[in-house]
Order: sequence, then structure tokens, then C-alpha cells
Amino acid sequence: GQNIDQPTEMTATEGAIVQINCTYQTSGFNGLFWYQQHAGEAPTFLSYNVLDGLEEKGRFSSFLSRSKGYSYLLLKELQMKDSASYLCAVTDSNYQLIWGAGTKLIIKP
Amino acid sequence: GAVVSQHPSRVICKSGTSVKIECRSLDFQATTMFWYRQFPKQSLMLMATSNEGSKATYEQGVEKDKFLINHASLTLSTLTVTSAHPEDSSFYICSARGEREAYEQYFGPGTRLTVT
Repeated sequence: GQNIDQPTEMTATEGAIVQINCTYQTSGFNGLFWYQQHAGEAPTFLSYNVLDGLEEKGRFSSFLSRSKGYSYLLLKELQMKDSASYLCAVTDSNYQLIWGAGTKLIIKP
Repeated sequence: GAVVSQHPSRVICKSGTSVKIECRSLDFQATTMFWYRQFPKQSLMLMATSNEGSKATYEQGVEKDKFLINHASLTLSTLTVTSAHPEDSSFYICSARGEREAYEQYFGPGTRLTVT
């Protein structure tokens, strides 16, 4: 079966760094996405990894290891507005998105 | 960037009535559109995939006669919830995939449906 695992909830302090992990087992792999979703809103795109390595985009970075079926999203200099759910999703061999359950990130002052 | 709109953003209807939700790709042609449902504190659940001009493909457990999907053009897909019940109350989100980049989906803002 297809499976994506990520922690249910994490807490971090404003100004700090947090790493959200995602492991996956899917039928085929055509890339991994990270999305941010604030309560009551649709997901917004953060990053896309299809090759191994680290992709940096401002305060957010995403890492992929295809051999390990593993990715992480790194958020630096955390701000209160970063409080949201972070969704890991993998595109399978049919380019269909397989979604993780999401990680709720709570930022404390 | 690619923009997807949804209408309405919020709708309240009475049990037994039908509700139509529209999903439009505003600045690109969407060969494929996806409909998701999200219950509170849960992740997105794919309901169906629709390709322009053909019948939608429904995920297991999703009643195709209850959730009617029409993808009549390359910029518009509609989801009609027929004979709505309170348990259909949810956040419905559409996404669209263009021809150029097969891997990316662009999400609409979502529709909050409340059935009373």
C-alpha cells in the first residue's frame, strides 16, 4: 500500500528552527511536495523535490533522500505566522498526489 | 502564476437539497482537475479525478451518484452534492493540473459546506 508518515504535532519557539520529517512508501515516485495550510484555508505550495538533496528557498528548505524514502522541511527564524499545518505529499507513478496527514506546527512566543 | 478559483467560498444548505461548487482555472487550461474533501483536523482526502470531456474517476468509497462531477471545459469543473446531509458538511477543495508541468497541482481556495 501507499503510506506517508509525518508527526501529528510539533511545538517550537518564535525565532528558532524546526525540522518536520516525512517518510513515504509509494508505488512509484515522481516528486515530493510540501504544502502549508492555515486553518480554514486551502494548501499553499512551499516546495517540490524530485532529486536528492537540499532545496533552499528563503527561510524554508526541503531535503529529499529517495533511497531512504525520506524528506524534511526546515523552517528557520520562526515567526508566529508560521503556525499552520504542514502537509507532505508524494506524486506516484500516475502523477497522483498521495497526502500525509499533516503536521500541526504551534509557534510559541 | 497559475490561479484557481472556487465559488462559492461558503454555502449553507438544508438537508435534502443539492449544492453546486464551481472550480475554474483562470489563466491556464486544466487538463485534469481534482476534488478533495477535508474534515476538521484531518488531511485532504481525494474524492475524484476528472479529465476534460470524460467521466470522472472516483476514489473507493465515494458515491458517484451523490457527488456529481462535470468537467465540461478546460477551465471549469463542477461538483454537485446531491441530496445533501449534515455528514456531508466539510471543506471541499479543488485543484487543477495544466499541460505544461504534469507534477504540480494548483489549489483553489476551498468551499466550506454546511448542511443543516
